[in-house]
Amino acid sequence: AQTVTQSQPEMSVQEAETVTLSCTYDTSESDYYLFWYKQPPSRQMILVIRQEAYKQQNATENRFSVNFQKAAKSFSLKISDSQLGDAAMYFCAYRRGAQKLVFGQGTRLTINP
Amino acid sequence: EAGVVQSPRYKIIEKKQPVAFWCNPISGHNTLYWYLQNLGQGPELLIRYENEEAVDDSQLPKDRFSAERLKGVDSTLKIQPAELGDSAVYLCASSDGTSFSDTQYFGPGTRLTVL
Repeated sequence: AQTVTQSQPEMSVQEAETVTLSCTYDTSESDYYLFWYKQPPSRQMILVIRQEAYKQQNATENRFSVNFQKAAKSFSLKISDSQLGDAAMYFCAYRRGAQKLVFGQGTRLTINP
Repeated sequence: EAGVVQSPRYKIIEKKQPVAFWCNPISGHNTLYWYLQNLGQGPELLIRYENEEAVDDSQLPKDRFSAERLKGVDSTLKIQPAELGDSAVYLCASSDGTSFSDTQYFGPGTRLTVL
């Protein structure tokens, strides 16, 4: 079975600085998708960024980018120029096809003004 | 475009009482998911629908949980009777299911407290 591990329960960063959240996963599949979701106190899961496993190029969405290391099964999220609105729980997730998302345990990110 | 709608947002009940949650997916989305999120953890799938058919309900505790998706649109998740351990957030998500890469969009969830 696929598993996703986030080893950092909590992280904090100064406003305007850069922070990296870690994620590792375990799968025997070669074709899959990886995601980072943000969950603020409102509980709404918001998609931050996604990566297709067959693509070597790392995905980027404005201030958010990933470092995808397929051989190492690592998928970290880098947030540049951190803003107060980035404070939330961040979940790394794996999915193969149209099946369920498998989530990690989450990392709580705090932004210090 | 309206997102995934869930109601109620909050529900407090006594143990052994029944409870139901409702979800309206994004228009045109054929695939609907119910996830359970315990405090401090990531969501876990309870059931997945393709149109009206439940194609993955392996994690649904069928002795007390039931779900339906009539007409392949709205869905209802029911617990009867509720237990203290059912206190959690119940999330609904939908996707258009047309490609290998379709994205799941989540609703705001229902926070259930069982006393």
